[in-house]
Amino acid sequence: QQQVKQSPQSLIVQKGGISIINCAYENTAFDYFPWYQQFPGKGPALLIAIRPDVSEKKEGRFTISFNKSAKQFSLHIMDSQPGDSATYFCAASIGYGGATNKLIFGTGTLLAVQP
Amino acid sequence: SAVISQKPSRDICQRGTSLTIQCQVDSQVTMMFWYRQQPGQSLTLIATANQGSEATYESGFVIDKFPISRPNLTFSTLTVSNMSPEDSSIYLCSGFFRGGGETQYFGPGTRLLVL
Repeated sequence: QQQVKQSPQSLIVQKGGISIINCAYENTAFDYFPWYQQFPGKGPALLIAIRPDVSEKKEGRFTISFNKSAKQFSLHIMDSQPGDSATYFCAASIGYGGATNKLIFGTGTLLAVQP
Repeated sequence: SAVISQKPSRDICQRGTSLTIQCQVDSQVTMMFWYRQQPGQSLTLIATANQGSEATYESGFVIDKFPISRPNLTFSTLTVSNMSPEDSSIYLCSGFFRGGGETQYFGPGTRLLVL
């Protein structure tokens, strides 16, 4: 119930291509879905987040698509660049910013963008 | 954005010893957390660090093994006690900041190797 399943485990994309990472959840009480980007030797950094009242959110080259009925959400990176090479984690929580709003992380996707 | 620093950045320790990791933030946090990330894997929440009171531990983590202190709003420590090689991991602190909304910021992590 508390798991967030993420795929693929790793992804290789050519420069300029589209990177797509998928996540699925079971707990319908989740209402906050962030994506984190982590470079080697660094902590995760928030990339983009969505609430279930919208089906899509776009920030620059990064888009989250959200399918509430299927309990799935995905990250699309348009025009992927070598600098996007990192590990990406999806996450989910019930609410945000409070003691009970714990983030449940997916297993991560290692993205490599080839020049 | 908020800045979170951790000390030490990495350490190599002997089995049976203990290591205390420090987490310092540059402004007041409302909530502060400690996570464990095993190499190449996802993040698992260890506990919520509560100011001036005992931390709230997640299932599978106990105070005797991972004592946590949070004497004020900008500082916390995590001790990994009586270490074994299975404790080799990256330990990250994170927090929600006053005025920071729903963004959870992470420190750079402490890389621990137990021999």
